[in-house]
Amino acid sequence: DSGVTQTPKHLITATGQRVTLRCSPRSGDLSVYWYQQSLDQGLQFLIQYYNGEERAKGNILERFSAQQFPDLHSELNLSSLELGDSALYFCASSARIAAGELFFGEGSRLTVL
Amino acid sequence: AQRVTQPEKLLSVFKGAPVELKCNYSYSGSPELFWYVQYSRQRLQLLLRHISRESIKGFTADLNKGETSFHLKKPFAQEEDSAMYYCALSDPMYSGGGADGLTFGKGTHLIIQP
Repeated sequence: DSGVTQTPKHLITATGQRVTLRCSPRSGDLSVYWYQQSLDQGLQFLIQYYNGEERAKGNILERFSAQQFPDLHSELNLSSLELGDSALYFCASSARIAAGELFFGEGSRLTVL
Repeated sequence: AQRVTQPEKLLSVFKGAPVELKCNYSYSGSPELFWYVQYSRQRLQLLLRHISRESIKGFTADLNKGETSFHLKKPFAQEEDSAMYYCALSDPMYSGGGADGLTFGKGTHLIIQP
């Protein structure tokens, strides 16, 4: 499957902890986007990387960080977790530098207890 | 700042009835508008984009710049249309450096009743 893959699919952790979510983009796509989906806020854009460099930031908290590696996979690091961080985190990729047609992964569901 | 508003969280119609999912946007330039769909247990995927002016699965959407709307329509709903629908906006001239990426509305859950 050459689509966007995300791991883990589910993650349960405690407040104050740190987790890392991983995303492999579609083959050939250079842009990676991270989105947070919660019941109240819908899909919130967090951050975009293009070919290893940060391109845009959205509503990303300072406790969160991301990077894109030379092989183009990306990781989203969430630290000092709070209950409100419980959400579905989506990764998407595209071939373009500007957002257009995005290809989404299945998401990583994070539950903070 | 750009914003996408989908006023209906839930829309329920009967099979065979017309469907209209509303989307309004706030943006000063000339955006690209999209509709994304998420069927049960499937990934979020692109349904259609305004620049293509195409009909996908019987759905069409017309960009009305005067009303800043991009409503999604289908004349005869089918049960398989039941899904979450998201309207989204992108700045085609975007070159990075600000809060961007695709801006999504909060979504409308469409339920087609038999």
